[in-house]
Amino acid sequence: AQTVTQSQPEMSVQEAETVTLSCTYDTSESDYYLFWYKQPPSRQMILVIRQEAYKQQNATENRFSVNFQKAAKSFSLKISDSQLGDAAMYFCAEGFSSNTGKLIFGQGTTLQVKP
Amino acid sequence: GAGVSQSPSNKVTEKGKDVELRCDPISGHTALYWYRQSLGQGLEFLIYFQGNSAPDKSGLPSDRFSAERTGGSVSTLTIQRTQQEDSAVYLCASSPPRGLDTQYFGPGTRLTVL
Repeated sequence: AQTVTQSQPEMSVQEAETVTLSCTYDTSESDYYLFWYKQPPSRQMILVIRQEAYKQQNATENRFSVNFQKAAKSFSLKISDSQLGDAAMYFCAEGFSSNTGKLIFGQGTTLQVKP
Repeated sequence: GAGVSQSPSNKVTEKGKDVELRCDPISGHTALYWYRQSLGQGLEFLIYFQGNSAPDKSGLPSDRFSAERTGGSVSTLTIQRTQQEDSAVYLCASSPPRGLDTQYFGPGTRLTVL
């Protein structure tokens, strides 16, 4: 079975500092996609960043970037210049072109941002 | 434009009762997904609809769970004879008809079974 693992249940970062959230996945598929979603207390899942497995270049969205290590099946999220509004639960997810597109989610990492 | 909407926002019910949860996807999105999120956990896939194709029901945990999608738009997730372990947040997502695309989530319905 395909699994996504987030080994850090909780992380904290000082405002304006940088934090990295870890994610590993286990798949034998060759065509897949990886996502980071943010879930604030409002419950709304918000897409943070997306990476296609066939792309070697790491995706970047403003203060958010990923370190995609395909051989190691690792997909970490780096948040630079952390802001109080970044406090939330972060989920790593994997999707596959060969199936319905349903996502396999990790257990999540709760990020606390300290002022 | 409007995002994915879900109703009700919260639902409290008694064990053994039936409940219906509603999802309105983004207009034009042909794919619709239901996920379940238990307290402090990740999301668990339940069911997937794509256009007029037969739904993928592989994630439904028991035959007490069912879902339908009328007219390719609104979807209803029904849980019959609710149990306490059904308590969770039920999230709906939709995505455009372009293969594996980003899923846009609604705010979810928090179901509490007493």
